[in-house]
Parts: sequence; structure tokens; C-alpha cells
Amino acid sequence: QSVLTQPPSVSGAPGQRVTISCTGSSSNIGAGYDVHWYQQLPGTAPKLLIFGNSNRPSGVPDRFSGSKSGTSASLAITGLQAEDEADYYCQSYDTSLGGKVVFGGGTKLTVL
Amino acid sequence: VQLVESGGGLVKPGGSLRLSCAASGFSLSDYYMSWIRQAPGKGLEWVSYSSGKTTYTNYADSVKGRFTISRDNAKNSLYLQMTSLRAEDTAVYYCASQAGTVDRNFDYWGQGTLVTVSS
Repeated sequence: QSVLTQPPSVSGAPGQRVTISCTGSSSNIGAGYDVHWYQQLPGTAPKLLIFGNSNRPSGVPDRFSGSKSGTSASLAITGLQAEDEADYYCQSYDTSLGGKVVFGGGTKLTVL
Repeated sequence: VQLVESGGGLVKPGGSLRLSCAASGFSLSDYYMSWIRQAPGKGLEWVSYSSGKTTYTNYADSVKGRFTISRDNAKNSLYLQMTSLRAEDTAVYYCASQAGTVDRNFDYWGQGTLVTVSS
């Protein structure tokens, strides 16, 4: 049971827009801690996609965007491409029990 | 910038293993460093972190009392001593860095090292 809740899967056709939610609580996202997003392709290490809720590292296409509100955050992908098919994870920090890094359970994006 | 893990392998339940993570291209002492694992077919699970400037460490409840994180800033290396290993510890273990504070994003990741706990 992950501290941050993500839908197990989402799907969309090429060119469409999809969103992935990340729901936390008052001890993590709701406490004001940033949310970061990672993309993981099979057999590879996670790659940073969004940091600080809505910032893209250099090299990440502007098709990817992030937002945060209250105890939740979202990752949006527009103009879906076949290469976007991957697992996506959100990450934040939780102040309970001495402070821990927390991840969402991950969302598998399927491009139809 | 590179992080390279080593030390993974097959170990029997109840056994021990020590993972290493060698950093190059940056100074480990400037970063929080974490171990993060991923069981086969499962999601990411944070295991432990070590502060760059102090001796502060923290652990996930699932490994507390069994795993110990340490670092040697002079060797630019991070370690994870794992004892009393269980089948559920089977995973790819990644080391990863965070600049500044522990609530920041992980900016650099290693390629991972596989730990298999099985009789």
C-alpha cells in the first residue's frame, strides 16, 4: 500500500491527452512538499520528468506538464506518442515517522 | 556524472549482502543519497537515505533494524549493508542522489544491481 495513490493504468490513442493523478495527504503533498515525476521504460532506471511540481528538466518535451493542488498532483501528457508508453511514478516527502521519501505505486501508460 | 552499483547477487534467506555505489563526476558529500528498490514487476520503494553533511539517516519500516546505510565521502561511495535477508527483499536496488534537501527530486540514478533472496 503506497503512501501516494496513483491509478494502476491509463491509456490513450496517439495524439490524445492523458492525465495521471497522485493523491497524498496532509503529511506529504498537503503539507506543502513538492511532487516530482519519473518515467521508467522497461529494464531501465527511472528518468526525471517533472521536478518541483511543474518544472521540466532540459530535454523533456513540453508535451509533459505537472500541477499540484491541495493534497494531490497531476501529470499531463498531450500529443501522445508511442514512445510515451512506460511506467510513471510520483514522489514526494512525508513528515510522519521521522521523515521519509515516498513514491506512488506507479501508473502504466498504454498508447493504443 | 555517474553512479555505479555493485554487490548484488543470490543469497539465502537469513543471509547478508553489502551493496556499493560508486559516484563519479560530483562530490557525494554535497548530496543526500538514497537506496531505492524495485521488486520484480512492482513499483519503486524508497529504502534508506543518508545526509550529505551530517550523519543523519532514515529507513523504511520494512528494512529498519536489518539494513544499514553508510557512506565514505573520501572514496565518494555509498553502501548498504543488508542482514537477515528475506524473500521479499528480492529486488533491483538503485542508488540515487538528491541535491540540497531530502524532499527534492532524485537527479542522478545508477543502473541498479539485482539482489535475489532464495534458497
